[in-house]
Amino acid sequence: DAGVTQSPTHLIKTRGQQVTLRCSPKSGHDTVSWYQQALGQGPQFIFQYYEEEERQRGNFPDRFSGHQYPNYSSELNVNALLLGDSALYLCASSFQGPREKLFFGSGTQLSVL
Amino acid sequence: QQQVKQSPQSLIVQKGGISIINCAYENTAFDYFPWYQQFPGKGPALLIAIRPDVSEKKEGRFTISFNKSAKQFSLHIMDSQPGDSATYFCAARKYNTDKLIFGTGTRLQVFP
Repeated sequence: DAGVTQSPTHLIKTRGQQVTLRCSPKSGHDTVSWYQQALGQGPQFIFQYYEEEERQRGNFPDRFSGHQYPNYSSELNVNALLLGDSALYLCASSFQGPREKLFFGSGTQLSVL
Repeated sequence: QQQVKQSPQSLIVQKGGISIINCAYENTAFDYFPWYQQFPGKGPALLIAIRPDVSEKKEGRFTISFNKSAKQFSLHIMDSQPGDSATYFCAARKYNTDKLIFGTGTRLQVFP
């Protein structure tokens, strides 16, 4: 049983560019949350998708957007990249029932030059 | 504004010793307090969690102690092993949401 898978594992972009990160949730999970983890910090909640809609959002600007597909996979899009967007982006999936069972992927390391 | 404060930033423990990591929170609207373990190059993995109506929860060598009046909770790792060397994060979830607020992490090193 595959866990949460994220792609790509590493990505290098330049300021002003746009990036798309992808996530496939754990089998049987229908909810996807995205977190940003800066170096040496704890993860910060970006937003959550359920039933193809953004359900909750953290304190991130509109440059951060997402999408969830009918198969529950999800994308995180970041426009107009800034140097400060360099971080590990984590996808976490869960099932709407036991919400505490949150499973994280290994993340996408984004470097903005 | 940091709502969950974690200490220490780093911890060195000898094999067989007890590792203790502390967290304090400010918002009383939290209803769930998990601890996550993260190895380099991996995402966080749920270790153990507690709800505020319980003062202690134990799973194997891992114990959470919870003090609701002091708004503090801690992770105790008994008989620490080199394989426990990782970064540990406490977190808190706001009531009626799925948003987890993480502490800044504690890097634990267990030496044989």
